[in-house]
Amino acid sequence: DAKTTQPNSMESNEEEPVHLPCNHSTISGTDYIHWYRQLPSQGPEYVIHGLTSNVNNRMASLAIAEDRKSSTLILHRATLRDAAVYYCILRISNFGNEKLTFGTGTRLTIIP
Amino acid sequence: NAGVMQNPRHLVRRRGQEARLRCSPMKGHSHVYWYRQLPEEGLKFMVYLQKENIIDESGMPKERFSAEFPKEGPSILRIQQVVRGDSAAYFCASSRSPTYNEQFFGPGTRLTVL
Repeated sequence: DAKTTQPNSMESNEEEPVHLPCNHSTISGTDYIHWYRQLPSQGPEYVIHGLTSNVNNRMASLAIAEDRKSSTLILHRATLRDAAVYYCILRISNFGNEKLTFGTGTRLTIIP
Repeated sequence: NAGVMQNPRHLVRRRGQEARLRCSPMKGHSHVYWYRQLPEEGLKFMVYLQKENIIDESGMPKERFSAEFPKEGPSILRIQQVVRGDSAAYFCASSRSPTYNEQFFGPGTRLTVL
């Protein structure tokens, strides 16, 4: 899988929007952009994914740059429960194997 | 609908002993992935299994580690003759099919080797 680059850590105030950036300059046309998060002492949890168009779901929004070399995960109104490590992952649409390649992610701290 | 279940949640072994980690996927899921997470690091893929088949074991150490997913029962990750470097959190994930985009993770088994 192609490599992603994320800031090591970010802070945000509670009830404010959070924009988590991810650079993936070597992305190929068939790579999907996935986001997972890992709360303390828990397994990762799927957040959202997209290919070219921006995506919204109940948890977050995903904004994808037109050239697909970067993307931003948007939490519209952060709560204390959103404090976690967020992983941006590129995944080839390989019907034979859907393993995930995790980087070190961004540790998000929410300030009350 | 129960999620992915892993047991035990915590496992302590002395060097040289065997560790058996179990993973029961979500109902209806026949694809299981095992990942290992060392302290302060991201998860690393180990092995991908479907019922009775190992599809990709490229992340598994060549010795002492094995995995299975029998027709009946949970998936098992087995570590023989554990060493201190095996101390980590081991997570399994399941999905409905290879084309299904979301993997569902279990709570993990935290292995400590004394």
